[in-house]
Amino acid sequence: DTEVTQTPKHLVMGMTNKKSLKCEQHMGHRAMYWYKQKAKKPPELMFVYSYEKLSINESVPSRFSPECPNSSLLNLHLHALQPEDSALYLCASSQVAGAGGELFFGEGSRLTVL
Amino acid sequence: QKEVEQNSGPLSVPEGAIASLNCTYSDRVSQSFFWYRQYSGKSPELIMSIYSNGDKEDGRFTAQLNKASQYVSLLIRDSQPSDSATYLCAVNGGSQGNLIFGKGTKLSVKP
Repeated sequence: DTEVTQTPKHLVMGMTNKKSLKCEQHMGHRAMYWYKQKAKKPPELMFVYSYEKLSINESVPSRFSPECPNSSLLNLHLHALQPEDSALYLCASSQVAGAGGELFFGEGSRLTVL
Repeated sequence: QKEVEQNSGPLSVPEGAIASLNCTYSDRVSQSFFWYRQYSGKSPELIMSIYSNGDKEDGRFTAQLNKASQYVSLLIRDSQPSDSATYLCAVNGGSQGNLIFGKGTKLSVKP
């Protein structure tokens, strides 16, 4: 069983909707990540939070807005998405960011934008 | 541009055989290497990590690292149909030392 929990597992939204993806980890990790994965492609890094501060934004469009309320929680707020944003969104955590440690993924949230 | 290269496959092996998955990387300063297994429609699952040259064994899995050749491999002994999945090689070296993923090798184990 994964120790990184993501909700919802599936989300369908229209291009004008506002929704959020949520992620929680209880491993005491201080780094949390959002990845995007399209079919038959590897995960693509979107954001990294290190000690609850945004440390990396991989030039992600502003319609994706991350938030880290505390060391266990990570949200991804979605607004005015496009159909090409449909993908599996993966949350991950590691003990610290950038130290080459093991990364653990949640089960993902599959997003469909109509 | 730092890269991680894998043969996309599919790699097909009979049940009980050894599956050999290979990965090369471009960044000589990389220090951490990982293999993830991803079943179709599921998230990546960490199965092996290796940090030093040589072999590391865990059950039916053996990871091999050769930093001089910038090469890391994963051997799966006694392959089972349940091992059929895409295997992602990941290497630290991206932005601020974060992971760079290869495109994955699809493994099919035939009963």
